[in-house]
Amino acid sequence: GAVVSQHPSWVICKSGTSVKIECRSLDFQATTMFWYRQFPKQSLMLMATSNEGSKATYEQGVEKDKFLINHASLTLSTLTVTSAHPEDSSFYICSAITGDSSYNEQFFGPGTRLTVL
Amino acid sequence: DAKTTQPPSMDCAEGRAANLPCNHSTISGNEYVYWYRQIHSQGPQYIIHGLKNNETNEMASLIITEDRKSSTLILPHATLRDTAVYYCIVRSNTGKLIFGQGTTLQVKP
Repeated sequence: GAVVSQHPSWVICKSGTSVKIECRSLDFQATTMFWYRQFPKQSLMLMATSNEGSKATYEQGVEKDKFLINHASLTLSTLTVTSAHPEDSSFYICSAITGDSSYNEQFFGPGTRLTVL
Repeated sequence: DAKTTQPPSMDCAEGRAANLPCNHSTISGNEYVYWYRQIHSQGPQYIIHGLKNNETNEMASLIITEDRKSSTLILPHATLRDTAVYYCIVRSNTGKLIFGQGTTLQVKP
């Protein structure tokens, strides 16, 4: 299947700093990417839908000013956690849809573990 | 998006078939059933999907009832590496995947 990468795989930062996480589709172009968050022993929670060249669509309850999403190209989406706090510590996972049909397969990245001290 | 209901956990003996059930009684006509699995601390892995016909690939088989209100994922010969959380998801034309709690499958030697 198609490959989605994330960088970094893990990051530790101090409270109040901002952290950027990259999501790349390595062998396909992705018009749409998604960002999820997963707390320990819980399921994945969809945060936002990222469309190339347009503003991200955030799920209810997700602060768009805190979680900045940029989808600058067909192979790259970034999630910036601004002014991170310990409660933002989580496993962040992105996914990408191959091609431009929402029914196409969706592939997931390996995740980024964020720890805020 | 339609909700799904899965048992929280299941055990399976190594080498035997693992049958994971899923209820999706509110599914609508254009919504697909998708199955993903997540091994600890990794991103979810796509397994299989279907609309109304049964499907089979190299990983698993998907059996969807005629009324489409439930489905079963079958791993024909479970191995220890199949131990994971399995998610049954109904996907609409928005492309979103809304994850439920899934079934934790423990394959035992």
